[in-house]
Amino acid sequence: EDQVTQSPEALRLQEGESSSLNCSYTVSGLRGLFWYRQDPGKGPEFLFTLYSAGEEKEKERLKATLTKKESFLHITAPKPEDSATYLCAVNGGATNKLIFGTGTLLAVQP
Amino acid sequence: NAGVTQTPKFRILKIGQSMTLQCAQDMNHNYMYWYRQDPGMGLKLIYYSVGAGITDKGEVPNGYNVSRSTTEDFPLRLELAAPSQTSVYFCASSGGSEKLFFGSGTQLSVL
Repeated sequence: EDQVTQSPEALRLQEGESSSLNCSYTVSGLRGLFWYRQDPGKGPEFLFTLYSAGEEKEKERLKATLTKKESFLHITAPKPEDSATYLCAVNGGATNKLIFGTGTLLAVQP
Repeated sequence: NAGVTQTPKFRILKIGQSMTLQCAQDMNHNYMYWYRQDPGMGLKLIYYSVGAGITDKGEVPNGYNVSRSTTEDFPLRLELAAPSQTSVYFCASSGGSEKLFFGSGTQLSVL
């Protein structure tokens, strides 16, 4: 069964304390892995798409990487405004539809 | 620069009532989607459309209906609302790249 698992469920960091979020997936024939950011009371906002193992994408303090089984979202020197829920989704398998993980709730304290 | 617009933002229904959640996009996207988001659960696909006049079921379609008469609009109809339909509903659109643009959501409570 196609599946996406994100860890940890929640993460609390001090401002400037770098860390990584994990997204592991089992899907046959990955067609793309997506990272979204979701702020409270809002819809998810697109961050990155990764298509093949070894690929990396960067945006400000965020860097996403991809292997054959998982993706990491690295957050370097986070600021309080990086606080949000980060969602991972994969497109692959038989359905050709996005499968979302449950997200990681990130809180960055000043 | 509206993107995807959803209305209403909040709604309380009684069991058995019906309602339509509205969704409109101004990006000329062919693909549109309805998701529901429950606490601790990932976004679940309810229905989707690949173009005007074409709709198909997603992962959790029971209790819902959709129509797509124009490229811009993709309303979601709830018939005979049940407590299990209490959720936050998101509409999204895309140009086909799977980069989805989401609306701000409708929080629905069925009591």
